[in-house]
Amino acid sequence: GIQVEQSPPDLILQEGANSTLRCNFSDSVNNLQWFHQNPWGQLINLFYIPSGTKQNGRLSATTVATERYSLLYISSSQTTDSGVYFCAVDPYSSASKIIFGSGTRLSIRP
Amino acid sequence: EAQVTQNPRYLITVTGKKLTVTCSQNMNHEYMSWYRQDPGLGLRQIYYSMNVEVTDKGDVPEGYKVSRKEKRNFPLILESPSPNQTSLYFCASSLSSMKGYEQYFGPGTRLTVT
Repeated sequence: GIQVEQSPPDLILQEGANSTLRCNFSDSVNNLQWFHQNPWGQLINLFYIPSGTKQNGRLSATTVATERYSLLYISSSQTTDSGVYFCAVDPYSSASKIIFGSGTRLSIRP
Repeated sequence: EAQVTQNPRYLITVTGKKLTVTCSQNMNHEYMSWYRQDPGLGLRQIYYSMNVEVTDKGDVPEGYKVSRKEKRNFPLILESPSPNQTSLYFCASSLSSMKGYEQYFGPGTRLTVT
């Protein structure tokens, strides 16, 4: 089945820093989403981005489907950005589910 | 507000005591599914439903049941919970069972079985 790899697995930054999170996937996909899991466990939709670039405030994402990767950019980090960031893909070949990567744990220090 | 709701959000129960976790969406979505999240194992799909009265097994269906009698509701039933079902559970929905639609997740239910 499709492999979804995220890097780095852990990232510790000072408040105000910028970061780039990467998601690589091993096969063609219909869809890719980025989620933020906050410290209370909730999964927050960040981007629905099968291809191209989107921006939402301090966050932006780019998916290059032909090269099978996606990037999530976080600028001017705040402590509330802490948590785990997941990418999830909807593979062409799968029945009816999305496949999650293992996540990047981001810790923002004040 | 468009959302997926789950109840209860937190539950501590004992082995063998039947329980139901409810899931409801107000977006008229066709597709709904249940996932569980465990440390080191990530999120795994339990069951999914393409539409009313259409359900199918995901990757880890053992010990769970579901039903889809109405479009908006997709309850998860644990007939005889066991400690290995202690987990964080998420319900999700998307507009269509056709592939590629954005998925929306509920707030999660943290279940502990003692």
